[in-house]
Amino acid sequence: AQSVAQPEDQVNVAEGNPLTVKCTYSVSGNPYLFWYVQYPNRGLQFLLKYITGDNLVKGSYGFEAEFNKSQTSFHLKKPSALVSDSALYFCAVRGLSGGYNKLIFGAGTRLAVHP
Amino acid sequence: SQTIHQWPATLVQPVGSPLSLECTVEGTSNPNLYWYRQAAGRGLQLLFYSVGIGQISSEVPQNLSASRPQDRQFILSSKKLLLSDSGFYLCAWSSGHQLGETQYFGPGTRLLVL
Repeated sequence: AQSVAQPEDQVNVAEGNPLTVKCTYSVSGNPYLFWYVQYPNRGLQFLLKYITGDNLVKGSYGFEAEFNKSQTSFHLKKPSALVSDSALYFCAVRGLSGGYNKLIFGAGTRLAVHP
Repeated sequence: SQTIHQWPATLVQPVGSPLSLECTVEGTSNPNLYWYRQAAGRGLQLLFYSVGIGQISSEVPQNLSASRPQDRQFILSSKKLLLSDSGFYLCAWSSGHQLGETQYFGPGTRLLVL
């Protein structure tokens, strides 16, 4: 069965420093991996996804994620954090339900960027 | 471009009252539609998904039901709300069945059952 783990409830980073939000996955077959961000009282915004190809995926707002098959990880990264990046981040993996596309989400990681 | 709407934005309902939340998508046809619930600002639980008009699949048996009366309209309902139905309800759409299709989320409805 497909699953996603986000091992950190919260990540604290100083503004201007690099940030990493961790995600590991378990799938049978090829992984299809996603990152979303949620600001308070808002819906989820799509950041990026890995389907195939380059292990380094670039997405919105300067975020990127590195797919590592041997470590079954898909960590989200940004070279220089902004205070406005403070939000809740979700990693997700495509799962199957009756043959239809669905996403299985991790529990989320709260990112706090301090000035 | 495609947009997804949800209403109401917030709702306070007494226990035992009915519920109807609406989601509509613009700018696309025959989308896959999804209802999620998010409790306590954390993980998302898939409640229902639909691949076409009148086609609803339930992920978790519960007090809620869903309907899709039109191609781009998805409704979440309950006949009698429970306290445990409180949460943030998110609707999402995707464009097809291809592997790796992105789901796009609406702004959500915050429901408080008292």
